[in-house]
Amino acid sequence: GIQVEQSPPDLILQEGANSTLRCNFSDSVNNLQWFHQNPWGQLINLFYIPSGTKQNGRLSATTVATERYSLLYISSSQTTDSGVYFCAVEETSGSRLTFGEGTQLTVNP
Amino acid sequence: EPEVTQTPSHQVTQMGQEVILRCVPISNHLYFYWYRQILGQKVEFLVSFYNNEISEKSEIFDDQFSVERPDGSNFTLKIRSTKLEDSAMYFCASSWFVGGSTDTQYFGPGTRLTVL
Repeated sequence: GIQVEQSPPDLILQEGANSTLRCNFSDSVNNLQWFHQNPWGQLINLFYIPSGTKQNGRLSATTVATERYSLLYISSSQTTDSGVYFCAVEETSGSRLTFGEGTQLTVNP
Repeated sequence: EPEVTQTPSHQVTQMGQEVILRCVPISNHLYFYWYRQILGQKVEFLVSFYNNEISEKSEIFDDQFSVERPDGSNFTLKIRSTKLEDSAMYFCASSWFVGGSTDTQYFGPGTRLTVL
């Protein structure tokens, strides 16, 4: 099956800093989503982005499908951004999402 | 904004007991899914369901698991005889179906299952 690798595994920032999270995947995909898992365990949809660039407030994402990677940018980070960020991809041959291991982000005040 | 709902939020059961986890997907969505996340690990796919039948399942989804859409709004996951290793957060998700492929998958808040 498809492999999804996220980096870095852990990231510690001071409030106000910017960061870039990366997701590499091993095959062509129909769908790529970024999620934020909050401290209560809920998976919050951030982006549906199989290709191109999208922005939502302080967050933006870019997926370069031909090179099989996606980037999530967080600008002016806040303590509420803390949590685990997951990248998940859907292979062209099925409907399942395959998740990466996640990036644990800690934003300190 | 429409959302996926799940009940209960937390379930505690004894090993060997049957549990049913319930989900109400977003109305007008056509694809339904169950995923699970063991504490501290990544989210894993269990099963997808479309047009009243299983579309795809993972190796985790063995004979102990079953899914059902008993009416027009609910989608359930049944575990027949729970094991300690079934303890996890179980997420339901749903998506629309556009142009021959699925769209954004929207996740519910999860049911935390604890097997004692």
